[in-house]
Amino acid sequence: GENVEQHPSTLSVQEGDSAVIKCTYSDSASNYFPWYKQELGKRPQLIIDIRSNVGEKKDQRIAVTLNKTAKHFSLHITETQPEDSAVYFCAVRVSGRGADGLTFGKGTHLIIQP
Amino acid sequence: DTGVSQDPRHKITKRGQNVTFRCDPISEHNRLYWYRQTLGQGPEFLTYFQNEAQLEKSRLLSDRFSAERPKGSFSTLEIQRTEQGDSAMYLCASSLIGGEQFFGPGTRLTVL
Repeated sequence: GENVEQHPSTLSVQEGDSAVIKCTYSDSASNYFPWYKQELGKRPQLIIDIRSNVGEKKDQRIAVTLNKTAKHFSLHITETQPEDSAVYFCAVRVSGRGADGLTFGKGTHLIIQP
Repeated sequence: DTGVSQDPRHKITKRGQNVTFRCDPISEHNRLYWYRQTLGQGPEFLTYFQNEAQLEKSRLLSDRFSAERPKGSFSTLEIQRTEQGDSAMYLCASSLIGGEQFFGPGTRLTVL
């Protein structure tokens, strides 16, 4: 089955600096790559996603890049703010073949230092 | 609130008891998913439905677990003969086909 590795497990950055979280995956048939943010005690919420036919996608301070050849994708957050502090999960999906469940990484605890 | 809802939010049970959780998806969503999340880990996929048909089951879904979505709307997840290892947050999500998965608040299960 699909295997997703996420790094780092904890990331501490100064407010205003950038944060980068990286994920690698094993199944080359994976074609959908969402990122979820989960605050303590809350549900995971989608912050950005990318499909396999696109190399990069940006939404205000958040961007995701995908390298299908190397089977890795990254989340970039610029001008970090205190409200960005949370756990971030990458995920992959292999659509088609009856499969639709997401395989998640283990998460990155992002800490924004004031 | 038109989002995904789950009931109950918390459940404490004794080992060996059966428990059932309910998920109400976003009304127009035809796909419904169940995930399990333990502390410090990402959600783990269990199963999903398209309308009333259960289309995929993870190998994590042991014989003690059963899920239904009888009318293609709400879903139930039952765990029989609970074990301490079943203690986790059980998350439900829903989506349109090929669309974003929206998660519910989860049901936190504690097995004593």
